[in-house]
Amino acid sequence: DVKVTQSSRYLVKRTGEKVFLECVQDMDHENMFWYRQDPGLGLRLIYFSYDVKMKEKGDIPEGYSVSREKKERFSLILESASTNQTSMYLCASREERGRGETQYFGPGTRLLVL
Amino acid sequence: GDSVTQMEGPVTLSEEAFLTINCTYTATGYPSLFWYVQYPGEGLQLLLKATKADDKGSNKGFEATYRKETTSFHLEKGSVQVSDSAVYFCALSGVGKLIFGTGTRLQVFP
Repeated sequence: DVKVTQSSRYLVKRTGEKVFLECVQDMDHENMFWYRQDPGLGLRLIYFSYDVKMKEKGDIPEGYSVSREKKERFSLILESASTNQTSMYLCASREERGRGETQYFGPGTRLLVL
Repeated sequence: GDSVTQMEGPVTLSEEAFLTINCTYTATGYPSLFWYVQYPGEGLQLLLKATKADDKGSNKGFEATYRKETTSFHLEKGSVQVSDSAVYFCALSGVGKLIFGTGTRLQVFP
């Protein structure tokens, strides 16, 4: 089974802090994704990566950056956390673009910014 | 651009009732269509998918048929259980990414 893990289930941070959310997948997938999930808005794509050291902006990249130094790990960085970044963050991976569109999700990190 | 529209919830049903959650889409080309489910406190899990028109995806008693003529992918189950209580997301494969609907919460009572 594909396993996607996220470093924390719950995080509480202060406004202005730098926040790192880590995601690891164990299936040698090429593609990885970060979403945020908010009530009434569904899932919105923040950033994605087709391969190591590659990154693409999603629909709402402002205030975020990402890092993919190794194939299995994709990090989401909030450079200076703000209260409007309080949300559920979901990481996903996919085998490869064009080879099955199914994405596999981690359990999510619920972030509260005070 | 591509988009997915789901019926708003919550949908509240008694155990063994019939379930329909409506999903329609707008897309250029021929996307694959998906239903994901999110149980309380968990991430999303793929429930079923269909990759071309008239395909039927099915899993755990749930079914959905890819209807190109009505641009729909409605989720159905003949007899729901309390354990089906969750949030259900319809999605389509856009250009290199998935596009999700806003989700429909299902609550099933004994």
